Amino acid sequence: DIVVTQSPATLSVSPGDKVSLSCRASRSIAARLAWYQQKPGQAPRLLIYEASTRATDVPVRFSGSGSGTEYTLTISALQSEDVAVYYCQQYHNWPPVTFGQGTRLEI
Amino acid sequence: DVKLSESGGGLIQPGESLRLSCTASGFTFANCAMAWVRQAPGEGLEWVASVDDGGEASFYTNSLKGRISTSRDNSRSTLFLELSGLRAEDTAVYYCVKDRYCGSGFTYVFDLWGQGALVTVSS
Repeated sequence: DIVVTQSPATLSVSPGDKVSLSCRASRSIAARLAWYQQKPGQAPRLLIYEASTRATDVPVRFSGSGSGTEYTLTISALQSEDVAVYYCQQYHNWPPVTFGQGTRLEI
Repeated sequence: DVKLSESGGGLIQPGESLRLSCTASGFTFANCAMAWVRQAPGEGLEWVASVDDGGEASFYTNSLKGRISTSRDNSRSTLFLELSGLRAEDTAVYYCVKDRYCGSGFTYVFDLWGQGALVTVSS
């Protein structure tokens, strides 16, 4: 199985910050990577797929990049409603698809 | 309104079985692969099962093979998950999720999530 590792585990942020979250796969996943946002008490929401394609209705401040084994989710100017846990997920090699352990953004 | 609604969770005794249902609305359910993802309390996300649009091909996480089954009734836009021999470590919120691509096959990108069904395994 492909192992997906996210860093950092927790990130303290302030409104207006540019935030970068990292996701590393144990082998190349050819941009088959998605990012999800989970706010407290809510189900996850798809933000990005194919490493860099924004899902429907996702604000443009969210962007994804990367290739091979290294990927990044960037929030260009953090808003307070972006406080959440962010998960990356590889879907290059399935089953199983695998998720990272999450990065928690806190203000 | 595009929506997934799970039902069937609750408190279950160790060793018993559960059956979760997920009713879809607002999209052509019969065209879409579907999946289940679970989340233990305070933990991350774990994919557990997927089924193709016709219900003919299913895939399961290795850790649950032999105890898990997923099926669907396209005439009722409903997805099912059955899990037997429940253990404390099966305690989780179980999410019904829709595959992003509605056609033949899977993408394993999940663009619609239900609110989740909490399953607690405890005596």
